[in-house]
Amino acid sequence: AQSVTQLDSQVPVFEEAPVELRCNYSSSVSVYLFWYVQYPNQGLQLLLKYLSGSTLVESINGFEAEFNKSQTSFHLRKPSVHISDTAEYFCAVSDRTGRRALTFGSGTRLQVQP
Amino acid sequence: ETGVTQSPTHLIKTRGQQVTLRCSSQSGHNTVSWYQQALGQGPQFIFQYYREEENGRGNFPPRFSGLQFPNYSSELNVNALELDDSALYLCASSYETGTGETQYFGPGTRLLVL
Repeated sequence: AQSVTQLDSQVPVFEEAPVELRCNYSSSVSVYLFWYVQYPNQGLQLLLKYLSGSTLVESINGFEAEFNKSQTSFHLRKPSVHISDTAEYFCAVSDRTGRRALTFGSGTRLQVQP
Repeated sequence: ETGVTQSPTHLIKTRGQQVTLRCSSQSGHNTVSWYQQALGQGPQFIFQYYREEENGRGNFPPRFSGLQFPNYSSELNVNALELDDSALYLCASSYETGTGETQYFGPGTRLLVL
């Protein structure tokens, strides 16, 4: 079984400032790692994922996340946020065998202020 | 290529009633997963269907049941509705080949149980 902890329920930040959303996971097996974003009244959209290889993964809109196996973390970062980044962000894991169901954290609300 | 669609978008039921939610998977996908997202929480895995067979189930009672059809669309049925079943129900489809495939989410069905 896996579990995911998102340490911050809300993160307020000013536009053009850097941001880090923290995610820690627990699992007895190797996992895949994901970040999803949810805009108000919408479903989830994949932001980025780590499957294997380079521990730093990037999205097309400037977000990046780094897999740290020793600290069991997968923190999400962006060097300069925009108003349009305001949304709920979910970290998720799935195991590498079997059904690969996603286990989600409770989410972090990113509020970008002008 | 069409995305994942769900119907209806909103639904109001009373305790004890039964409800059926529908999901059309993305073209070419053979796997459908259902998640329940209560207000202010991350999605929780209900079950997954792979080629019309249940391929794993989360910690939900048997009154939550599902089907997957030959065209890979899916239904989620909930019997004897309870107030705590009020949530956003998300469907996600993927093409499982065993290497961490992305699950693509629909916009969800918001269910309110009175």
